[in-house]
Amino acid sequence: DSGVTQTPKHLITATGQRVTLRCSPRSGDLSVYWYQQSLDQGLQFLIQYYNGEERAKGNILERFSAQQFPDLHSELNLSSLELGDSALYFCASSAQGVLEPQHFGDGTRLSIL
Amino acid sequence: GENVEQHPSTLSVQEGDSAVIKCTYSDSASNYFPWYKQELGKRPQLIIDIRSNVGEKKDQRIAVTLNKTAKHFSLHITETQPEDSAVYFCAVDSGGGADGLTFGKGTHLIIQP
Repeated sequence: DSGVTQTPKHLITATGQRVTLRCSPRSGDLSVYWYQQSLDQGLQFLIQYYNGEERAKGNILERFSAQQFPDLHSELNLSSLELGDSALYFCASSAQGVLEPQHFGDGTRLSIL
Repeated sequence: GENVEQHPSTLSVQEGDSAVIKCTYSDSASNYFPWYKQELGKRPQLIIDIRSNVGEKKDQRIAVTLNKTAKHFSLHITETQPEDSAVYFCAVDSGGGADGLTFGKGTHLIIQP
């Protein structure tokens, strides 16, 4: 158990819909990262938040957005879903950020029908 | 942005033998190099990491070596066991102060009994 909690574990929805994935970081961790894992693209960094503020952006689509709340949990919002958005979405957390270990949650498997 | 190449994509070794996985990266500003192990259907688990001010780090049967000049680093697993079978990912921090990790494509390590 990494201490990072992600809900839901599985999500099945249709094209054009919107979903929200939730992540609670390890106790004491201030940084939250979102990654997407798919067979063709591998593990890709989407976005990072540190203590409520956006800190770094990776390959995140404009249809996707995220936020980190005062209690440090984070949500990733995916809208206008397409078949290609089907993937495993992981959240990771670290104590501060720079040069520190990132610990992954168990992921949310998103299937678009 | 950062580019990470990982080789080989598949590695099959006899139980008890050693396994070596290599990664190269492009951004000389990168300073943090973790390795993750991912079993089928599970989350990536951090197994070892190294920072740019260190050339080698060892933890029991696992070691990582870093050559900053050549921009490559390697994972060494000695006395391999069946439970070492998994996909291994190298990763590199984005450099330039951004904290997202760029991952290699992964190596499927198969331990033959």
